[in-house]
Amino acid sequence: QSVLTQPPSVSAAPGQKVTISCSGSSSNIGNNYVSWYQQLPGTAPKLLIYDDNKRPSGIPDRFSGSKSGTSATLGITGLQTGDEAEYYCGTWDSSLSAGVFGGGTKLTVL
Amino acid sequence: QVQLQESGPGLLKPSQTLSLTCTVSGGSISSGAYYWSWIRQHPGRGLEWLAYIYYSGSTYYNPSLKSRLIISVDTSTNQFSLKLTSVTAADTALYYCARAVVDSSGSFDYWGQGTLVTVSS
Repeated sequence: QSVLTQPPSVSAAPGQKVTISCSGSSSNIGNNYVSWYQQLPGTAPKLLIYDDNKRPSGIPDRFSGSKSGTSATLGITGLQTGDEAEYYCGTWDSSLSAGVFGGGTKLTVL
Repeated sequence: QVQLQESGPGLLKPSQTLSLTCTVSGGSISSGAYYWSWIRQHPGRGLEWLAYIYYSGSTYYNPSLKSRLIISVDTSTNQFSLKLTSVTAADTALYYCARAVVDSSGSFDYWGQGTLVTVSS
């Protein structure tokens, strides 16, 4: 069981918006930055969001991140079939002194 | 452009020690801005953080695997390594090395392509 909780799956139609939640506690999300990763089938994860809401160079602004208390959210607008992937949240857990990930959310673009 | 490349045996027998090396190119492993990390992914499952090492040698381990893990760094070769002792079938996974940004709660900005490790008798 993962320290961070994500929904197993979400789906939406092309062009629509979807959000993926990531729930944690004060020892992880509540006091550390959250990052989000996209893993396309058969590939390594790719950093989408860091420091809760910042995008690395080359990541389109269709991807956004937010955080409130002990929960974080990834938003994706203008969905494309190429966005179908597994999405993971991650952060540091200060109590465990360990990196932690969510269990992953599979996005289906219908 | 920073690149990371994992190397190591693809097949192990139970009770053996897994040894993996990550070679970093396009950047110095001695940069104080990063942790160097190992992460694994069991087939069809999520990501599991294993360990960090700082260029100075400071280490952090997944508490559930700490007794079996050793991470090390060689700044002269720009490589870092992972050893996992007493492997079982449960250690069969895709193992990634990655660079983690210290000031970003360890966000992983560069990843290797991953190396599949299978434990089977």
